[in-house]
Amino acid sequence: SQTIHQWPATLVQPVGSPLSLECTVEGTSNPNLYWYRQAAGRGLQLLFYSVGIGQISSEVPQNLSASRPQDRQFILSSKKLLLSDSGFYLCAWRGSGGYHEQYFGPGTRLTVT
Amino acid sequence: AQTVTQSQPEMSVQEAETVTLSCTYDTSESNYYLFWYKQPPSRQMILVIRQEAYKQQNATENRFSVNFQKAAKSFSLKISDSQLGDTAMYFCAFIMRARLEDMRFGAGTRLTVKP
Repeated sequence: SQTIHQWPATLVQPVGSPLSLECTVEGTSNPNLYWYRQAAGRGLQLLFYSVGIGQISSEVPQNLSASRPQDRQFILSSKKLLLSDSGFYLCAWRGSGGYHEQYFGPGTRLTVT
Repeated sequence: AQTVTQSQPEMSVQEAETVTLSCTYDTSESNYYLFWYKQPPSRQMILVIRQEAYKQQNATENRFSVNFQKAAKSFSLKISDSQLGDTAMYFCAFIMRARLEDMRFGAGTRLTVKP
């Protein structure tokens, strides 16, 4: 069965510091991968998606970037964090079945101080 | 633009009773998929139920069922025999067949099941 991992689970970083969040998927190959951000009490905002190694599409102009160095690895980065980058970050992969549903990782809570 | 609206920010229900969460969406497409996700306090998003627009039969997963009204663009979730573990945020989501990368979410409904 497929599983998706994210780390770290919680992160507190000062403004101006770099960021690296990692997501890995097991049990599937060539998955479509997604990064979302969820502000407190809000819905999900799609940040990036990737259909393959090295292929990244950005949905929202921002202080963040994404990379996919391996088939089942998706990384969210920033060179200099802003206060507004605080939030809950979720990684997801898209199922290969007929409904195209997405399955989510446990998330990373980022607080920028 | 494709939008998803959940008009009930918060709801509560007594344990063992039934509750219905509302969701409406706006699209000009005819081929799409709809989902309900649950986000408990742990904050991991869990897929509850899914529906394809071309299927008229309403989806059912154990105590969870939907009322899909395509003409009205409505996709409500019914939870029967509510349990304390059903306490969570519930998100309605929509995705078009023509753009599978763009899943749109509603703002969510916070459901509290009371003992």
